[in-house]
Amino acid sequence: DAKTTQPNSMESNEEEPVHLPCNHSTISGTDYIHWYRQLPSQGPEYVIHGLTSNVNNRMASLAIAEDRKSSTLILHRATLRDAAVYYCIPPDLQGAQKLVFGQGTRLTINP
Amino acid sequence: DAGVTQSPTHLIKTRGQQVTLRCSPKSGHDTVSWYQQALGQGPQFIFQYYEEEERQRGNFPDRFSGHQFPNYSSELNVNALLLGDSALYLCASSFVWPGAGELFFGEGSRLTVL
Repeated sequence: DAKTTQPNSMESNEEEPVHLPCNHSTISGTDYIHWYRQLPSQGPEYVIHGLTSNVNNRMASLAIAEDRKSSTLILHRATLRDAAVYYCIPPDLQGAQKLVFGQGTRLTINP
Repeated sequence: DAGVTQSPTHLIKTRGQQVTLRCSPKSGHDTVSWYQQALGQGPQFIFQYYEEEERQRGNFPDRFSGHQFPNYSSELNVNALLLGDSALYLCASSFVWPGAGELFFGEGSRLTVL
């Protein structure tokens, strides 16, 4: 399985942008990068995924480095409800939808 | 449209007992995966079911078994419970994909083994 590295924790203020980094130096050229988040007392929820170019959806943006060895999840205007553990996840190469979760980044949002 | 539902939400067992956890996938989804999440850790893949068969398995002993029914719902069974089996058990559903897509998770069943 490809491996990822994320900071253990980050802190930001409400209504400010947040940039969550992820290094995935062993990822192959056909691997999608997925991001999930887990709010307290809930199961993980999908945030965004991408392959080569930057991606945007209603929740966040995903910036992928040109060499694909790193990516950054961008929350444009953090709210208190964005406080969660954010997981950067490489997909299983066997195509069986197995997600390999690491420790993730615990994001704290200050009011 | 109901999402992924799991039952029970909480349960307490003693060592050596057996437990069955249940999952109903999101409407229209045909694939169910189970994950174990120990306190303070990320979820770990247990196994996945598609077309009523186990398609892939993580690094879990044979004490962990499952089943998928024709209506796509699924059960996770754990025999001979150990203290270390205490965890949040998460069910996720999806369509079989070619390499991208999203999984929908339930809120989990929290198992405590005494």
